[in-house]
Amino acid sequence: NAGVMQNPRHLVRRRGQEARLRCSPMKGHSHVYWYRQLPEEGLKFMVYLQKENIIDESGMPKERFSAEFPKEGPSILRIQQVVRGDSAAYFCASSPSEGLVSADTQYFGPGTRLTVL
Amino acid sequence: QQQVKQSPQSLIVQKGGISIINCAYENTAFDYFPWYQQFPGKGPALLIAIRPDVSEKKEGRFTISFNKSAKQFSLHIMDSQPGDSATYFCAALTQGGSEKLVFGKGTKLTVNP
Repeated sequence: NAGVMQNPRHLVRRRGQEARLRCSPMKGHSHVYWYRQLPEEGLKFMVYLQKENIIDESGMPKERFSAEFPKEGPSILRIQQVVRGDSAAYFCASSPSEGLVSADTQYFGPGTRLTVL
Repeated sequence: QQQVKQSPQSLIVQKGGISIINCAYENTAFDYFPWYQQFPGKGPALLIAIRPDVSEKKEGRFTISFNKSAKQFSLHIMDSQPGDSATYFCAALTQGGSEKLVFGKGTKLTVNP
């Protein structure tokens, strides 16, 4: 059973370009979460999605950032017109849709490390 | 209200010793408290988790102690090994809410051989 997959693992962009980060949840998981980690910091929640729905985007900047989780395919975190402050590791996590215990358990992918030049 | 405070920021322990990491929270709506282990360049991996209806949970060398009245919880690593050297994050979540994890800032543990 493959874990959460993220690609690319490393992404370099120049200021003003767009960054697209992809996340494929674990098999059977329909909940996806995106977190951002700055150097020497903990992870900060950005957005929580279920298939075709954004449930909570309270941690995501209102401008330049968007996320989707289509019916088919991976979840995408999109950052438009990147700035140096967007440089960070972006982690995706997934959890099952049902289950007494597992619904609270989020399994993390390896992350995408974004560097903005 | 959403903050989780973690200490110490870094910890050095000798092989075989006990590593203790502490966390405190303020939001009484939190009802699920996981600990994650992260190695450099990797994603966080769930280590152990506890709910507030129990005061302690043990899995192998890892134990969570939970004090609901003090709103504190801690991770104890018994017989610490060099392979345990990693960054540890405590987190908290509210069931039935948006399911977002609120993380502490992490503790970098180094276990010397």
